[in-house]
Amino acid sequence: DTAVSQTPKYLVTQMGNDKSIKCEQNLGHDTMYWYKQDSKKFLKIMFSYNNKELIINETVPNRFSPKSPDKAHLNLHINSLELGDSAVYFCASNLGSGNTRNSPLHFGNGTRLTVT
Amino acid sequence: GENVEQHPSTLSVQEGDSAVIKCTYSDSASNYFPWYKQELGKGPQLIIDIRSNVGEKKDQRIAVTLNKTAKHFSLHITETQPEDSAVYFCAASNNPQFYFGTGTSLTVIP
Repeated sequence: DTAVSQTPKYLVTQMGNDKSIKCEQNLGHDTMYWYKQDSKKFLKIMFSYNNKELIINETVPNRFSPKSPDKAHLNLHINSLELGDSAVYFCASNLGSGNTRNSPLHFGNGTRLTVT
Repeated sequence: GENVEQHPSTLSVQEGDSAVIKCTYSDSASNYFPWYKQELGKGPQLIIDIRSNVGEKKDQRIAVTLNKTAKHFSLHITETQPEDSAVYFCAASNNPQFYFGTGTSLTVIP
């Protein structure tokens, strides 16, 4: 199936640990995003890559480091996890900033991170 | 940067009635306005979108209107059904940025 898929779906870990979330899209899109959804459902942009190049880097603690090995993959590594990092993290993709027409975001189903 | 406000935060309607969700944006450079539906445990899914050169768009029971001058846009769902119950998000975009509203939790009462 064509989709944006992210793993794992659930992640429970202790404070201070380091963890990674992986995302892959097989839609042929050029741009990928990471969003954080807090307990109030607010969707906040974290990062975006266009064809492996970082194009959006919002005010996010430098404990969060994205990596894009190719345009179909965007991973998120989090060091020294804190309680406040608990949230649902969504990966998304779209055709890309090089296109003249805006195209919608396609979201994965999220990774629910719980830090204890 | 862009600021998107969305109202109401919660909305309950009887099955068969209409539901209206309203959003405003601040940046006149925004030129694309998608709406997303998020069901429990899933990612947001696109339900309809509108570009800045269009004032209204309809897809079956769903319609969106855009007033560029006033910088507001609205989602209209007619003949609501229980399966319409979800959280709805508006967004304003100026490629590649997308700014989301704070969400509306819609409950359709059978």
